[in-house]
Amino acid sequence: RKEVEQDPGPFNVPEGATVAFNCTYSNSASQSFFWYRQDCRKEPKLLMSVYSSGNEDGRFTAQLNRASQYISLLIRDSKLSDSATYLCVLGGYNKLIFGAGTRLAVHP
Amino acid sequence: DVKVTQSSRYLVKRTGEKVFLECVQDMDHENMFWYRQDPGLGLRLIYFSYDVKMKEKGDIPEGYSVSREKKERFSLILESASTNQTSMYLCASSFGQEFSYEQYFGPGTRLTVT
Repeated sequence: RKEVEQDPGPFNVPEGATVAFNCTYSNSASQSFFWYRQDCRKEPKLLMSVYSSGNEDGRFTAQLNRASQYISLLIRDSKLSDSATYLCVLGGYNKLIFGAGTRLAVHP
Repeated sequence: DVKVTQSSRYLVKRTGEKVFLECVQDMDHENMFWYRQDPGLGLRLIYFSYDVKMKEKGDIPEGYSVSREKKERFSLILESASTNQTSMYLCASSFGQEFSYEQYFGPGTRLTVT
């Protein structure tokens, strides 16, 4: 079983839609959690950290459920510029563990 | 502005060649990392380094070696390139003692081994 599992998508949504991605992880000892964004043919960049209490950054909301070992990312009012691959990332002992990513395509 | 640069965006090499991939960061970060990224597999850690002349194996070190002679530079070496090493190679750096701090990535090198 992979340490981090994500639905690869693609999720095809119209502008203005709300879309949610889930990510499950297998190591219950994981301490830190992140969402990274990767545009086509570009490097990954940190989108937001995920805290136990949940956190919001503008149109983006991240949630962590330790009991069920999953992380979610909610994007409200999708923009064309949100089209990218979203990587679920765990902070393990001395390294980050990346999921394979979920691709989002927002269309007009 | 944070910057990680890699020596080449695209590289084509022949089987058996020795390949050097260079990475430089200008942020005075302690930690540097080499990943490869393949479709459906995500980023996989090859090697990392938390200090000059220090290196640690990641999840898939076989067929690779690294060198860190200066704090800002981390090199990945393919001693004898093989076709299964065709991939996108990404270098990253991060600050501090906790490896789970934000990592900053270079633009990547797409290596093709024929």
